Amino acid sequence: QQPVQSPQAVILREGEDAVINCSSSKALYSVHWYRQKHGEAPVFLMILLKGGEQKGHEKISASFNEKKQQSSLYLTASQLSYSGTYFCGTNAGGTSYGKLTFGQGTILTVHP
Amino acid sequence: EPEVTQTPSHQVTQMGQEVILRCVPISNHLYFYWYRQILGQKVEFLVSFYNNEISEKSEIFDDQFSVERPDGSNFTLKIRSTKLEDSAMYFCAIPHLQAGVQFFGPGTRLTVL
Repeated sequence: QQPVQSPQAVILREGEDAVINCSSSKALYSVHWYRQKHGEAPVFLMILLKGGEQKGHEKISASFNEKKQQSSLYLTASQLSYSGTYFCGTNAGGTSYGKLTFGQGTILTVHP
Repeated sequence: EPEVTQTPSHQVTQMGQEVILRCVPISNHLYFYWYRQILGQKVEFLVSFYNNEISEKSEIFDDQFSVERPDGSNFTLKIRSTKLEDSAMYFCAIPHLQAGVQFFGPGTRLTVL
């Protein structure tokens, strides 16, 4: 069963913040976040391993609540380059090399 | 980030024809994955391949699909008799040294007419 992402779409002005959520009904080994621009391949952003850690990457960070099997991606002070579709991919296989099951995506649009 | 190329970048074929999509990682990998993405939809797992054997496959990966590592370096995905619904972007993914991280190749756009 695929993870559920929310919201489906977000529209921001430059400098505004956004949160994208990813929820799974399965116990997860890891959660992966990707950004995809139109016509391009998904680009890896970060991985969250079970253990509830939080990671940061410049102005983009993420958390993983192992008890709830939920992950959130935080985009702060958004830039035009943040526009794209964000996917969470979940690994419920129990090993680090398990397949990824992707959510339906969240379309983020940043306007000047 | 491991580098990987995919060929061709775009393939147009007639329904019922066979197609072979190629993935060439810059360095040797024991693990690789194939995913597909129908236009406007989410990315879907097809198959994972470890040490020259299929380790896991999805319901999509039926008898019409096969994967190989023909010469020890590149990986191929073959669709024996293409259908209209096979039209999609096909991505191979390679794991990074940091276990679990999968990096996607640029993809092959398959159009079945």
